[in-house]
Amino acid sequence: DIQMTQSPSSLSASVGDRVTITCRASQSISSYLNWYQQKPGKAPKLLIFAASSLPSGVPTRFSGSASETDFTLTISSLQPEDFATYFCQQSYSIPFTFGPGTRVDIK
Amino acid sequence: QVQLQESGPGLVKPSQTLSLTCTVSGGSISSGGYFWTWIRQHPGKGLEWIGYIHYSGSTYYNPSLKSRVSISVDTSKNHFSLQLSSVTAADTAVYYCARYCSGGSCFQFDYWGQGTLVTVSS
Repeated sequence: DIQMTQSPSSLSASVGDRVTITCRASQSISSYLNWYQQKPGKAPKLLIFAASSLPSGVPTRFSGSASETDFTLTISSLQPEDFATYFCQQSYSIPFTFGPGTRVDIK
Repeated sequence: QVQLQESGPGLVKPSQTLSLTCTVSGGSISSGGYFWTWIRQHPGKGLEWIGYIHYSGSTYYNPSLKSRVSISVDTSKNHFSLQLSSVTAADTAVYYCARYCSGGSCFQFDYWGQGTLVTVSS
């Protein structure tokens, strides 16, 4: 199985801050990497697909990038509605696997 | 807008079989290019892909659960189902159904149900 790790596991930030979350795959997964946002008691929501593409309706303050097996999710200016947990997920091979998540809290 | 809704018992006894159904609305489950998926999340934990099914009946399961899992589809009812046998307390989780799009640059879970908590307890 491909192992996905994330760092940090949690962070505290203020509204307006630039936030960066990193995800690392245990082997090459090309760009088969997606990011999801999950709020308490809710289902995950697709945030970024194919490492750097935004689905329709996702604010442009969210962006993704990739460098070999390292992937980054950036929120350029944190908004109140962005406080949530973020998961990365690889679709390169079955079984699909998720990172353990990064919780973003209010500072 | 595609919507998915899980249904089924919220409490299952140990050693019994967990059964859930996901009803799809706003789109046909027989549309090509999609796999209908089950994912679970243990309380306060991360996400685990259980498996998925194509409307043709092709299935793919997580090897860690393969011996106990069965996913089926009923295109006439536009729903798909999960059965997980011989459950233990470790199977207590929120179970989500989701749509996985497959093809080209599409390889993500783009629509999710709201999730249903299943507790395994006597």
